[in-house]
Amino acid sequence: GAGVSQTPSNKVTEKGKYVELRCDPISGHTALYWYRQSLGQGPEFLIYFQGTGAADDSGLPNDRFFAVRPEGSVSTLKIQRTERGDSAVYLCASSPGPPLDTQYFGPGTRLTVL
Amino acid sequence: SQQGEEDPQALSIQEGENATMNCSYKTSINNLQWYRQNSGRGLVHLILIRSNEREKHSGRLRVTLDTSKKSSSLLITASRAADTASYFCATATIQGAQKLVFGQGTRLTINP
Repeated sequence: GAGVSQTPSNKVTEKGKYVELRCDPISGHTALYWYRQSLGQGPEFLIYFQGTGAADDSGLPNDRFFAVRPEGSVSTLKIQRTERGDSAVYLCASSPGPPLDTQYFGPGTRLTVL
Repeated sequence: SQQGEEDPQALSIQEGENATMNCSYKTSINNLQWYRQNSGRGLVHLILIRSNEREKHSGRLRVTLDTSKKSSSLLITASRAADTASYFCATATIQGAQKLVFGQGTRLTINP
């Protein structure tokens, strides 16, 4: 079946603008994760959803970052007042659900803030 | 912050040779996973080993886990040019079991 999809694949924006990044998980997967990967680094956890609720948002760097998953499927990561330091690849992953399942990653969205 | 550290940071070998990458971590884990990443984009899951397991195999891959030393290794046997990629270990800690904590990765280059 289809894997995790993310749109757009690339996003270029200007400092101070608002952006939304979308993730479509694998059908039936109840758990969804967002990670951020800077150049030359490993991915860093941002937030984890179980169903519609954010079960762990401890990785969100500040209140400019927000994510939703209103129907327990598609998720949107929202970044307000973007800064140049937000430039990174944003990765989404899904898993069938607890306990401790393998996470399946999408191709990522490369965000560039000018 | 990142929990794991991969060693070496970069590895270059000839096609057909074996490649070994190591991962060390700091806190107690529930499981450890290895991923491959091509061209800085999506990660492909390779293998998951649980804290009560010591060794796992999948095709040309062999993973070991030593919880007393808080370390793991990934062995790729009979390497191929297509194995060229970055390899990351990721741990699911007992406290935050649903999130993965990644190392910085090993960049593996297989020379034909």
